[in-house]
Amino acid sequence: SQTIHQWPATLVQPVGSPLSLECTVEGTSNPNLYWYRQAAGRGLQLLFYSVGIGQISSEVPQNLSASRPQDRQFILSSKKLLLSDSGFYLCAWTSGLGNQPQHFGDGTRLSIL
Amino acid sequence: ILNVEQSPQSLHVQEGDSTNFTCSFPSSNFYALHWYRWETAKSPEALFVMTLNGDEKKKGRISATLNTKEGYSYLYIKGSQPEDSATYLCASDINNDMRFGAGTRLTVKP
Repeated sequence: SQTIHQWPATLVQPVGSPLSLECTVEGTSNPNLYWYRQAAGRGLQLLFYSVGIGQISSEVPQNLSASRPQDRQFILSSKKLLLSDSGFYLCAWTSGLGNQPQHFGDGTRLSIL
Repeated sequence: ILNVEQSPQSLHVQEGDSTNFTCSFPSSNFYALHWYRWETAKSPEALFVMTLNGDEKKKGRISATLNTKEGYSYLYIKGSQPEDSATYLCASDINNDMRFGAGTRLTVKP
């Protein structure tokens, strides 16, 4: 069966520090991968998605970036965090076959001090 | 409609009541409409993915309808139970561009 792992679960970082959140999927190949953020009191906002290794689509211009170094690995990064980067980050995958539901990781609660 | 909008924002019902929520989405370039249930301290769980105008899907006491021409979907819960308490999210899928609504937070009182 397919599983998705996302870590860390919680993270407290100072303003200006770098960020690396990792997401891996097991039990499937060539998934579509997504990064979302939920800011306080708001819905899920799509940040990045990837349909293959090295292919990244950015939905929102910001100081975050994403990379997909391997088929089932998706990394969210920042060189310098801002206070506004605080929020709940979710990774998700879908089979890419079309009209398939998204399967979400457990999320990372990021607090910027 | 440019964004995905859900109403109401929150809802409190008594156990046994039936209820419904609305999701409005852009009808142009429509690909699929998703519904998810998001319980506190858990990750969102897929309920339905609908693509065709007039689609109606059902899972137990929960069902959903889709109108792609006017850009709305309804989610119905029959005989609400306390375990149905969660935030219900809808999302418009336009060729991998997933746009989520802010959700409807349902609280079912025993």
